[in-house]
Amino acid sequence: QVQLVESGGGVVQPGGSLRLSCAASGFTFSTYGMHWVRQAPGKGLEWVAFIRYDGSNKYYADSVKGRFTISRDNSKNTLYLQMNSLRTEDTAVYYCANDGGIYFMAYWGQGTLVTVSS
Amino acid sequence: QTVVTQEPSFSVSPGGTVTLTCGLSSASVSTSYYPSWYQQTPGQAPRTLISGTNTRSSGVPDRFSGSILGNKAALTITGAQADDESDYYCVLYMGSGIWVFGGGTKLTVL
Repeated sequence: QVQLVESGGGVVQPGGSLRLSCAASGFTFSTYGMHWVRQAPGKGLEWVAFIRYDGSNKYYADSVKGRFTISRDNSKNTLYLQMNSLRTEDTAVYYCANDGGIYFMAYWGQGTLVTVSS
Repeated sequence: QTVVTQEPSFSVSPGGTVTLTCGLSSASVSTSYYPSWYQQTPGQAPRTLISGTNTRSSGVPDRFSGSILGNKAALTITGAQADDESDYYCVLYMGSGIWVFGGGTKLTVL
């Protein structure tokens, strides 16, 4: 069965950096686009970034463009999110999800909490 | 700035039918936006219900259905059950690799 396991969350000061990972199993990772989606405490879901199956194209929400970088290592079945210049408003649970092929998030991980605070 | 609109809250009686909607602030939602729907209970990851307007994900009961109603995407729950009490989110594909979530609807079954 599909499994997505996020890691790398934690507490970081404003202006700091963090790298999240998402380990995938149960499907052919190298043939699926992947998303990052976040949820601030008590708030709704926010799409963050998408990477095509081969890493050839990457897309970002305006709120993170220029600060976050999505990447993947298909040899390791792992998705990444490098987060730089973090702000307090980036505090959220970050979920990875695989793309179902017709522009939707098919399966979701359990999420990892990022807290940006001084 | 694209805004995807959802009702903030809704209530339904057990066994009743409810339709949640997903709209756009400045356009009509069509199948070209590939609307999808997600269910989330507190402390849990989202669960995918509907993709591509009306395709149920594996394991999703057939009391959940998706459609386009007028100028909005819609999620209808027919014969609501107590464990349908959740937050429901839609997301629209805006093209050019961009997705936008609605603000979510908190559904109460009582």
